[in-house]
Order: sequence, then C-alpha cells, then structure tokens
Amino acid sequence: DARVTQTPRHKVTEMGQEVTMRCQPILGHNTVFWYRQTMMQGLELLAYFRNRAPLDDSGMPKDRFSAEMPDATLATLKIQPSEPRDSAVYFCASGRVGRPGLPNTGELFFGEGSRLTVL
Amino acid sequence: DQQVKQNSPSLSVQEGRISILNCDYTNSMFDYFLWYKKYPAEGPTFLISISSIKDKNEDGRFTVFLNKSAKHLSLHIVPSQPGDSAVYFCAASAGGLRGNTPLVFGKGTRLSVIA
Repeated sequence: DARVTQTPRHKVTEMGQEVTMRCQPILGHNTVFWYRQTMMQGLELLAYFRNRAPLDDSGMPKDRFSAEMPDATLATLKIQPSEPRDSAVYFCASGRVGRPGLPNTGELFFGEGSRLTVL
Repeated sequence: DQQVKQNSPSLSVQEGRISILNCDYTNSMFDYFLWYKKYPAEGPTFLISISSIKDKNEDGRFTVFLNKSAKHLSLHIVPSQPGDSAVYFCAASAGGLRGNTPLVFGKGTRLSVIA
C-alpha cells in the first residue's frame, strides 16, 4: 500500500532550536508539496518541487525556513531558528502531475503530518 | 486574501439525511476542483473532483456540483453516515487534470453526522 511517510509525527522543541521534518513521497510521484495547517489559515502551501527542482517557495518565511529535495525519495523542511508561531501541523503531499503521456488522476496524496510545538 | 472560501466552519446533520458542504472561489483561472476529507491525526485524503468542463460529478454517495458563473461548488453526501464525520476541505487548481499548479485549499468545514 503506497503512502507518503513523514517523520517525526510529533516534535516539541524550544524556541530558537532547529527543526527538521522529513518526507518520503510515493515512489514514482514527481511532485512534492509542503503544506502547513493552522486553525487560522487552514492548509497553506509553503513550497513545492517538481522532478526535485524547487518551483515555488513563496509561502515560506525565507529567513528561517528552507526546503530541499536531496533525492527523489526524500524531501526535507527545516526551520532555524524555530519560533512559537511556527507551531502547526506540517503536511507533505506527493502527486504524479504534469508529465505528458502518463495517466494523471490530478489529486495529491498526503502524509499523516508532523505536529510541531515550539515552546 | 483567501481564493477558496468555505464560509461554514461546522455543520451538523442527522444520520440518513443529506449533507451539503459549500465552497466559493474567486480566481477565475481555477479549472479543477477537489474535495478532501480529513480525520483527526491523519492527513487529508482525496474524496472527489470535478473539472470545469463539467457541472456535476457523482461517486456513490458523494456528488459535487459546480456553478462556474457563481464561482461556487458544493459537495452533497446522501445518505450521511456517522463515519462521514470529518473535516472537509475544498481545493482548486489552475492546471486542470495535468495539475500544473499547486492546490489552493479552503479552511475546511467540520461535518458531524449524528446518529
């Protein structure tokens, strides 16, 4: 059963500490997204990659957030330094989109999320 | 400014009745719309979608209606079951089925189906 895997599931840290969240997309998917869920904003896009290339990270605070995809099986989202306002659930999602000739269901598959609490 | 709006944060429906969840959008470039369902401590899961070339798409108990002129879509669940209790997110993209742009999500509507 193919699924998007995220680690850690829960993270509690103190303000100023570095936080790294990891995501393993579904094998064969060529697009990876990072979303953040908060009560106020719902699901907001932070960044996304296609074929490992970053396409848009305008949703991220650039001074403290960074997203990378070192290989096709791993995407990372790093926060340094973390702040209490970063407390949220961070979701990774993958999809098979934008590739001519391949069937495309159009939807994204989400991981279970990483719940971050910054004290 | 929210491009996808779900104006009802919550909805309660009796088991067996129809649940209607509404969604409005502002970006006329959106041409593909999806509904996701989310249970607590889980990620959102895809439920149903509709392309802008259609006005209705049905899948079992779930039907999505699209009114392009009003920039409005709705999800109908008939009959509603207790297991349908979840948060429902409306999402839209401007890349059609090829998904060339990311999904823009609403804030969600929490549906409670009462037995």
